[in-house]
Amino acid sequence: AQSVSQHNHHVILSEAASLELGCNYSYGGTVNLFWYVQYPGQHLQLLLKYFSGDPLVKGIKGFEAEFIKSKFSFNLRKPSVQWSDTAEYFCRRSGTYKYIFGTGTRLKVLA
Amino acid sequence: KAGVTQTPRYLIKTRGQQVTLSCSPISGHRSVSWYQQTPGQGLQFLFEYFSETQRNKGNFPGRFSGRQFSNSRSEMNVSTLELGDSALYLCASSVGHGGTDTQYFGPGTRLTVL
Repeated sequence: AQSVSQHNHHVILSEAASLELGCNYSYGGTVNLFWYVQYPGQHLQLLLKYFSGDPLVKGIKGFEAEFIKSKFSFNLRKPSVQWSDTAEYFCRRSGTYKYIFGTGTRLKVLA
Repeated sequence: KAGVTQTPRYLIKTRGQQVTLSCSPISGHRSVSWYQQTPGQGLQFLFEYFSETQRNKGNFPGRFSGRQFSNSRSEMNVSTLELGDSALYLCASSVGHGGTDTQYFGPGTRLTVL
């Protein structure tokens, strides 16, 4: 069965630190990958997505992600986090007939 | 453009009852998907409707059902509620169906089963 794994469940960083959140997907099928963010009290919103082409994808708010096919990974990065990045981050995979979310990573940024 | 709206925002039911949740997609969006979000299981896909037809279905029992109307509004029904059905139910809409469309999420309906 297709799956998505996010190994970091909780991450605590200080402002200005660099961020990398892991996302691994299982082999097989169509691979369309997304990162969503849920700020406290807000809706889930899209950060970035990858379908094909340039494996380095840039999203909103300074986030980027790199698709590495050989590692089945799609890690989310940000060079310098801000207090306002405190949120829960979800990696998602979609194919023709399935939408699968990772379990999420709670990021807390200390001011 | 108005976002995805879900009603009601909060519900309290008892075991054995049934419940209907409603979702109004963004204008022009023809696909509506439903998800269950719980602390233990995270976000799990329930089903997707496109042009009044169920296109995709997750691994939930038959007690969970849905439908979509000609104006793309969707309802989700859960019959014979169990304690484990307590969750945040999220609706998401997109222009089309399939893997590449961006889904826009609503605020959710918080269901508590006592």
